[in-house]
Amino acid sequence: DAGITQSPRHKVTETGTPVTLRCHQTENHRYMYWYRQDPGHGLRLIHYSYGVKDTDKGEVSDGYSVSRSKTEDFLLTLESATSSQTSVYFCAISSGTENEKLFFGSGTQLSVL
Amino acid sequence: AQSVTQPDIHITVSEGASLELRCNYSYGATPYLFWYVQSPGQGLQLLLKYFSGDTLVQGIKGFEAEFKRSQSSFNLRKPSVHWSDAAEYFCAVGPGNTGGFKTIFGAGTRLFVKA
Repeated sequence: DAGITQSPRHKVTETGTPVTLRCHQTENHRYMYWYRQDPGHGLRLIHYSYGVKDTDKGEVSDGYSVSRSKTEDFLLTLESATSSQTSVYFCAISSGTENEKLFFGSGTQLSVL
Repeated sequence: AQSVTQPDIHITVSEGASLELRCNYSYGATPYLFWYVQSPGQGLQLLLKYFSGDTLVQGIKGFEAEFKRSQSSFNLRKPSVHWSDAAEYFCAVGPGNTGGFKTIFGAGTRLFVKA
């Protein structure tokens, strides 16, 4: 299995508080992604990174920011959490070639009350 | 814009029966297509992928999928379902041909297997 660790695995927080989720990889892959999974929507891309300090927005980026200061770490921050951000968040990595598959972490269950 | 449609939200199949999960995509050029499986509480795992060549591709766990350009489809099949196949299945397009190395996923089909 690919070495991807997401932390925390579960988090409950209150509306308006900042939250940071961490994704750590040991594969030295160039590309890292954050997805959210919601019933009826499948996985939707929030942000992705194609190198250290190189990031771009996905389809549902509003309310989220990311940072990648090292190849192995990709952080997702909710600046001010809202109930609509209650979801399961998955980190994924890939080597980046056109037909390359994604390797997924085990996910973070976030509940915003 | 590129998109992936999985028409069936859930499907129930008897153990030992055959299975077909539908996937339609929207993309102008030859797509790179994937099927992933997600067991409860887990991340996604690749079942198979297509990017060129033979339109019938074989994957893990006895699954196969057929790319049909004329129908813009990439349906997943298995001749005999096992109880352990109960999971959620996602069809996806990309990366590379969706722009910016982004993989686009369908909404998923949940498979229930009855004894």
